[in-house]
Amino acid sequence: SQELEQSPQSLIVQEGKNLTINCTSSKTLYGLYWYKQKYGEGLIFLMMLQKGGEEKSHEKITAKLDEKKQQSSLHITASQPSHAGIYLCGATPLNSGYALNFGKGTSLLVTP
Amino acid sequence: EAGVAQSPRYKIIEKRQSVAFWCNPISGHATLYWYQQILGQGPKLLIQFQNNGVVDDSQLPKDRFSAERLKGVDSTLKIQPAKLEDSAVYLCASSLVSGYMNTEAFFGQGTRLTVV
Repeated sequence: SQELEQSPQSLIVQEGKNLTINCTSSKTLYGLYWYKQKYGEGLIFLMMLQKGGEEKSHEKITAKLDEKKQQSSLHITASQPSHAGIYLCGATPLNSGYALNFGKGTSLLVTP
Repeated sequence: EAGVAQSPRYKIIEKRQSVAFWCNPISGHATLYWYQQILGQGPKLLIQFQNNGVVDDSQLPKDRFSAERLKGVDSTLKIQPAKLEDSAVYLCASSLVSGYMNTEAFFGQGTRLTVV
């Protein structure tokens, strides 16, 4: 099965600072998905990356997938308290509609 | 568009009791997933349905867990008997199926189960 390692496990940043979360796989990824989870709630889809070198942005969040399709990063610019939560990367190595395997998540806290 | 609906939101039971969770996916979504998320961990797939057929249940503890998706719409997940280690959030998700293109899954709010 797909093993995804996320780093760091947790992050505390001051409001306005930039931050990066990483997701690494030992296998080539077909699709890499980023989700955000508010504490005690369901997952909210952020972005999906499929092509090597692909980069997508939404508001102040940018996600990238490396050329080898084994590593992805999520970058938040000028963090705000609303960015707080757990960020999860999910992936499937197969182009077959299989369900996502997820990393353990990165807990983000943004302080005033 | 209505999202994925789950009920109940919270459930507390004693060990060895049984419990059932219900999920109503987004209309038109053929694929339905049940995930288990233990505190501090990422979601772990329990079972995946395509319409009313099972695609993957390799990680479902079949001695105590069962799931069904009658008529290819709503789904129920049952645990009988529950163990302390079953305490977790149970997430239901659904997605469209478009050929062999992976599409994003939409998640419900989850059911938080506490076994005491």
